[in-house]
Amino acid sequence: GPKVLQIPSHQIIDMGQMVTLNCDPVSNHLYFYWYKQILGQQMEFLVNFYNGKVMEKSKLFKDQFSVERPDGSYFTLKIQPTALEDSAVYFCASSPWGGAYAEQFFGPGTRLTVL
Amino acid sequence: GDSVTQTEGQVALSEEDFLTIHCNYSASGYPALFWYVQYPGEGPQFLFRASRDKEKGSSRGFEATYDKGTTSFHLRKASVQESDSAVYYCALGDSNNRIFFGDGTQLVVKP
Repeated sequence: GPKVLQIPSHQIIDMGQMVTLNCDPVSNHLYFYWYKQILGQQMEFLVNFYNGKVMEKSKLFKDQFSVERPDGSYFTLKIQPTALEDSAVYFCASSPWGGAYAEQFFGPGTRLTVL
Repeated sequence: GDSVTQTEGQVALSEEDFLTIHCNYSASGYPALFWYVQYPGEGPQFLFRASRDKEKGSSRGFEATYDKGTTSFHLRKASVQESDSAVYYCALGDSNNRIFFGDGTQLVVKP
């Protein structure tokens, strides 16, 4: 079936550094998402993105976070600067359309460790 | 706000046992309800969805019925297999293109 790819699978960085997580969504999908899962906790919505713009973001999407998808390339999540509490697995997802009923296709996640 | 509660953190069964994982939701109106399954090293995979009261969703022998009266969407399977071992997430979709996940239930099926 359709696959979402995430690069890298693991990333270890020092607190205060910048990190960019990359997502290659399913071809022709129009809606893109990031979710955050701290070890042992619930997966939580961070942000969604459509037509070059953030549509919705949660309170977890701090000012240090940004997303973009320049010219149909990777959909990226940038954190600058990183903090210890940013350590988590970040899942990217995409869907062909939006709305409550849309099936979202998830990548395998990027495990981010901030030291 | 919208939320989903899964009662069981872990379920251990033998092959051919009957499975029930309980899911209750809190939301206004008629949210979309989903079950996703996650295997080790992968992201969640869509299993099925339901969007209105009394609608049954199903896939691969798993099923759940949307019940607005009890605000539930319990997952059931008549006869589990070892290959069904995974984490199962009940989830709720809202009109702002967000999915709210439950805590997940780890299903372990012994041969």
